[in-house]
Amino acid sequence: QKEVEQDPGPLSVPEGAIVSLNCTYSNSAFQYFMWYRQYSRKGPELLMYTYSSGNKEDGRFTAQVDKSSKYISLFIRDSQPSDSATYLCAMSLIPNTGNQFYFGTGTSLTVIP
Amino acid sequence: EPEVTQTPSHQVTQMGQEVILRCVPISNHLYFYWYRQILGQKVEFLVSFYNNEISEKSEIFDDQFSVERPDGSNFTLKIRSTKLEDSAMYFCASSGPSAPLFFGEGSRLTVL
Repeated sequence: QKEVEQDPGPLSVPEGAIVSLNCTYSNSAFQYFMWYRQYSRKGPELLMYTYSSGNKEDGRFTAQVDKSSKYISLFIRDSQPSDSATYLCAMSLIPNTGNQFYFGTGTSLTVIP
Repeated sequence: EPEVTQTPSHQVTQMGQEVILRCVPISNHLYFYWYRQILGQKVEFLVSFYNNEISEKSEIFDDQFSVERPDGSNFTLKIRSTKLEDSAMYFCASSGPSAPLFFGEGSRLTVL
């Protein structure tokens, strides 16, 4: 069983739509959750990170963590063509101890003007 | 804004040659990582490094790989004898106290 599962898509939505991206995980010891955006042939760019269950909002982005279900989500409101990219979820055990961060496979998103 | 920088951006090498990829992590970060991404595939963990020691490594990180922090700023990944399957994007990343993982733009390695 993979540590982190993420639907690879591709996902295609019209401009202005609400996008929901999701990951599930198997290890209940994960404590630290992140979402990254990756453009083609570029490094992953950090979007959101959180320690706790619940919601965290930053502009058009909302990260949601449900530890009881081992499920995390990223919502993008009012999606823009510039949001077209691959979105990676990532998680780790105790942060800042040199433990590896586990990544999902990424979901490819296209926002159509 | 502080960033992780990587050189070279692209390196082409012959199979069997040694390659060194260089990274300058964010200055106050303490934990350093190498990840790789084969084209179209997922980001894979190679190694983490803290206090001049390897903290964790994956099964990909075999004896042909090594890491070093030769001075106070650089962090390097050496591949001793490259194979065709080493062709990938190699990402350096760093994290610090209460900080998530920040990535560089990557070094694309092409092994011919």
